[in-house]
Amino acid sequence: AQSVTQLDSQVPVFEEAPVELRCNYSSSVSVYLFWYVQYPNQGLQLLLKYLSGSTLVKGINGFEAEFNKSQTSFHLRKPSVHISDTAEYFCAVSSLGGFQKLVFGTGTRLLVSP
Amino acid sequence: NAGVTQTPKFRVLKTGQSMTLLCAQDMNHEYMYWYRQDPGMGLRLIHYSVGEGTTAKGEVPDGYNVSRLKKQNFLLGLESAAPSQTSVYFCASRTTRNPASTDTQYFGPGTRLTVL
Repeated sequence: AQSVTQLDSQVPVFEEAPVELRCNYSSSVSVYLFWYVQYPNQGLQLLLKYLSGSTLVKGINGFEAEFNKSQTSFHLRKPSVHISDTAEYFCAVSSLGGFQKLVFGTGTRLLVSP
Repeated sequence: NAGVTQTPKFRVLKTGQSMTLLCAQDMNHEYMYWYRQDPGMGLRLIHYSVGEGTTAKGEVPDGYNVSRLKKQNFLLGLESAAPSQTSVYFCASRTTRNPASTDTQYFGPGTRLTVL
């Protein structure tokens, strides 16, 4: 079974500052890792994913994440945030193959202020 | 190409009433999923389907039924709604035929359900 921990429920940051949203996972098998973003009153949109290969993954809107197998982490980063990045961010894992059950973290609300 | 759509967007029910949530996708995806989102709990899988005519239970299936009579539609039913089913419901779909995206679930905009 897999589990995902997002330690920060809310992260306030000023516009143009860097941000890191933390994600740790637990699994006894190899996994795929995802970051989804949910803007207010909208569905989830895929930001980026790690399947294999390079541990640094680049996604949309200038976000990137680094897979660290030894620390079982997949932290999301952006060097300079915008007001429009205000949203809820979900980290998720799934096992390889099968029907792909996504296991989500509890989410981190990013609040960007001027 | 509308992607994944959900009907209705909002609904208020009284305890004991029934309703059906409709999810439709126009991407010819094989897999479809229903999740519920509750504050502080992330998304949890209710039921899923690996193809037309098939359904299976997810993490929190009690109180819900589903049907997939057509490949493009996945219905979620509440036979006797309870306040504990107040939540935001999301549908998702996934293809197994495009190697570039077999791992990605595409989500609908959600249905906000309140049970009084």
